[in-house]
Amino acid sequence: DSGVTQTPKHLITATGQRVTLRCSPRSGDLSVYWYQQSLDQGLQFLIQYYNGEERAKGNILERFSAQQFPDLHSELNLSSLELGDSALYFCASSVYDGLAYGYTFGSGTRLTVV
Amino acid sequence: AQTVTQSQPEMSVQEAETVTLSCTYDTSENNYYLFWYKQPPSRQMILVIRQEAYKQQNATENRFSVNFQKAAKSFSLKISDSQLGDTAMYFCASTYQGGSEKLVFGKGTKLTVNP
Repeated sequence: DSGVTQTPKHLITATGQRVTLRCSPRSGDLSVYWYQQSLDQGLQFLIQYYNGEERAKGNILERFSAQQFPDLHSELNLSSLELGDSALYFCASSVYDGLAYGYTFGSGTRLTVV
Repeated sequence: AQTVTQSQPEMSVQEAETVTLSCTYDTSENNYYLFWYKQPPSRQMILVIRQEAYKQQNATENRFSVNFQKAAKSFSLKISDSQLGDTAMYFCASTYQGGSEKLVFGKGTKLTVNP
């Protein structure tokens, strides 16, 4: 267990639907990052939250949104789903120890849109 | 903007031999950090090694070591005594202090270790 918990692990849904992916960061980590990994692709940065506030945005579609709650868990909402949204969605949290950054990844949510 | 480039989509090596994976990066920042992540078939992202740009000494973790060439903006990963369990996708990534600290990844190198 990496300390970052993502649920659900697998999700199959139909086009046009809406889903919510959940991430609980490692205890004490204030930053949460969301990444999308399509088949045979690298990890594309979607969005980052730091202590409840949006900090950075990547190539996130307007159909996607996210938020971080007071308990620091985060949710990624994907709506009007298309076949091309099928991917592995990773959440990561990070901490800076004064010398370097440490990132911890969850095990991912595999989304299949049919 | 940060960019990370991995020019080798696939590589293979015989068990017990040594292999080097290449990575180049581009950044205008001074306080940056470089990483190699391993993604086995389980798809879990596993940190292999980390290098702080302010350190001149190359990082080493057991059989894994890096060749950090700051002026050339090169950050290669050497795997010694390759094992079957090293078969995985390997991603090079970078971040820098002062921005959002998000990791920027290369497209990855698929490494196969043959028996």
